[in-house]
Amino acid sequence: DIQMTQSPSAMSASVGDRVTITCRASQGSGNNLVWFQQKPGKVPQRLIYVASSLQGGVPSRFSGSWSGTEFTLTISSLQPEDSATYYCLQHNSFPLTFGQGTRLEIK
Amino acid sequence: EVQLVESGGGLVQPGGSLRLSCEASGFIITNYWLTWVRQAPGKGLEWVATINRGGIDTYYADSVKGRFTISRDSAKNSLYLQMNSLRAEDTAMYYCATQFSSPIHCWGQGNMVTVSS
Repeated sequence: DIQMTQSPSAMSASVGDRVTITCRASQGSGNNLVWFQQKPGKVPQRLIYVASSLQGGVPSRFSGSWSGTEFTLTISSLQPEDSATYYCLQHNSFPLTFGQGTRLEIK
Repeated sequence: EVQLVESGGGLVQPGGSLRLSCEASGFIITNYWLTWVRQAPGKGLEWVATINRGGIDTYYADSVKGRFTISRDSAKNSLYLQMNSLRAEDTAMYYCATQFSSPIHCWGQGNMVTVSS
């Protein structure tokens, strides 16, 4: 099974900050990696797919990148509405596995 | 508009059964892999099951294998999750979702399943 180690588990940042969230896969997963944003009581929303493709309608301040088994979600300039929990998901092989989540708060 | 509408959740006793439905509109389900994901209260997302485009191959998390069955009905353009031998730890919000790698992607609104006596 591919384990996804997501970090940090929680963080606080200010409006305008550059924020980076990382998922590390325990073994190769290609670029079959998705990033989701979930706000309390809401359905998860896909931000990034195949590691670096931006979902239509998602602000361009969100971006995804990867190198080897490390995947990164970057928010270039944090906005108040970005307060949420973020999850990565590898869908390269079964069982599909999510990261543990990163709770992002705005200072 | 691409949409998934879920139904069938509710309260069930331990050991009981429940079937979740997920009706698609705006796309044909046989063109996509489809997945069920769940989220226990206050917890993270957990993959439950996936069915491939052909509807032949199915995949399950170890936690539900042998108890849950994913299926689809192309005539009704719908996805299902039959859940048997339910346990308290199956209590969660259940979501259906389309293929994660496709440019076209959406989730259902979620359906709460509570297993309690």
